[in-house]
Amino acid sequence: GAGVSQTPSNKVTEKGKYVELRCDPISGHTALYWYRQSLGQGPEFLIYFQGTGAADDSGLPNDRFFAVRPEGSVSTLKIQRTERGDSAVYLCASSLSGGPSEQYFGPGTRLTVT
Amino acid sequence: ELKVEQNPLFLSMQEGKNYTIYCNYSTTSDRLYWYRQDPGKSLESLFVLLSNGAVKQEGRLMASLDTKARLSTLHITAAVHDLSATYFCAGESGGGADGLTFGKGTHLIIQP
Repeated sequence: GAGVSQTPSNKVTEKGKYVELRCDPISGHTALYWYRQSLGQGPEFLIYFQGTGAADDSGLPNDRFFAVRPEGSVSTLKIQRTERGDSAVYLCASSLSGGPSEQYFGPGTRLTVT
Repeated sequence: ELKVEQNPLFLSMQEGKNYTIYCNYSTTSDRLYWYRQDPGKSLESLFVLLSNGAVKQEGRLMASLDTKARLSTLHITAAVHDLSATYFCAGESGGGADGLTFGKGTHLIIQP
């Protein structure tokens, strides 16, 4: 079956611009996660949705980052006033439910801020 | 706050040899995960270890969990080139959150 998909696969933007990154989870998965992976590092947790609500957004680095999941399926990560330090691969994962369910990762969006 | 440390961070080994990657974590983690990542690719789930003493095996890879020592290991038996990748362990952050805390990864190169 279809896995987690993310668009775009690559995004280049100028410093100060606004970007949106999209994640389509596996059908039927209620839990959705966003992570950020910098070069040579492990993924870093950003935010977790259970259904439509953000159950934990403690990993968002600052108020320039925001994520929504209005219908409990597709999620959008939004970054305002991008900075060069935001350059990374943004990974989305989904699981059947929160807790002990295995997380399945998408291919990621590589964001480059110039 | 959960911290996860892996060692070694880089490992070059020959085909046919055995080796172990170690994953230490700082506080209680209900579950321990191992993932594989190929260059430019996303993460592939290898193992989910749910309880103390858990051992899981898939092909030449075997993972174990010792919750008392806060240690998980990933053992590679008779390595083959196709196992070259970066391997991550991850624990759950706890405190009601379900986000994973990852180690920095072990970059494994297996040479013929």
